[in-house]
Amino acid sequence: AQTVTQSQPEMSVQEAETVTLSCTYDTSENNYYLFWYKQPPSRQMILVIRQEAYKQQNATENRFSVNFQKAAKSFSLKISDSQLGDTAMYFCAFMKPGSGSRLTFGEGTQLTVNP
Amino acid sequence: DVKVTQSSRYLVKRTGEKVFLECVQDMDHENMFWYRQDPGLGLRLIYFSYDVKMKEKGDIPEGYSVSREKKERFSLILESASTNQTSMYLCASNLWGDQPQHFGDGTRLSIL
Repeated sequence: AQTVTQSQPEMSVQEAETVTLSCTYDTSENNYYLFWYKQPPSRQMILVIRQEAYKQQNATENRFSVNFQKAAKSFSLKISDSQLGDTAMYFCAFMKPGSGSRLTFGEGTQLTVNP
Repeated sequence: DVKVTQSSRYLVKRTGEKVFLECVQDMDHENMFWYRQDPGLGLRLIYFSYDVKMKEKGDIPEGYSVSREKKERFSLILESASTNQTSMYLCASNLWGDQPQHFGDGTRLSIL
């Protein structure tokens, strides 16, 4: 079974600065997908970024980028130029192909962006 | 945009009651999911469905059942609610395979 670990329950950052959220996972699969989801206080879970394990290039989406280290089973999220609207709970998630789209989530990291 | 709608944002029920949580998606997605979210535990999969009348157990199915009579609707049923089922419940759907899941706003359920 897959496991996903987010070792930072809470983080804070000053507006306009850069912050990195960590995620590690354990799997014996060679091909899989990794996701970062954001859950603001409104509770709506929003997809931030998606990475396919067979792609070496790190995914990027505007101010959000990942550092995907397959050998180390690490998938960190970097947020550049942090904005107040980035305040949210962030979840890392793993999906194995052929599993019926099942996601395994980490515990979450509460990020607070301070003015 | 995909819309996943959960029938209630907040719900309060008593122990022993039968509780229904409803979820509707408007994008003809094949797969639908029910998760439970608890602090420090992230989201855990209760049940999912990959087609009408088809269902599979997730990681924590005990005490729950589901129903999918129509493609757009997926119901979570607490047969006899207990206080340890007080939680946030999230419904999600996706088209198929490795496509990202789209989530509803969640139902915060309190069992007294």
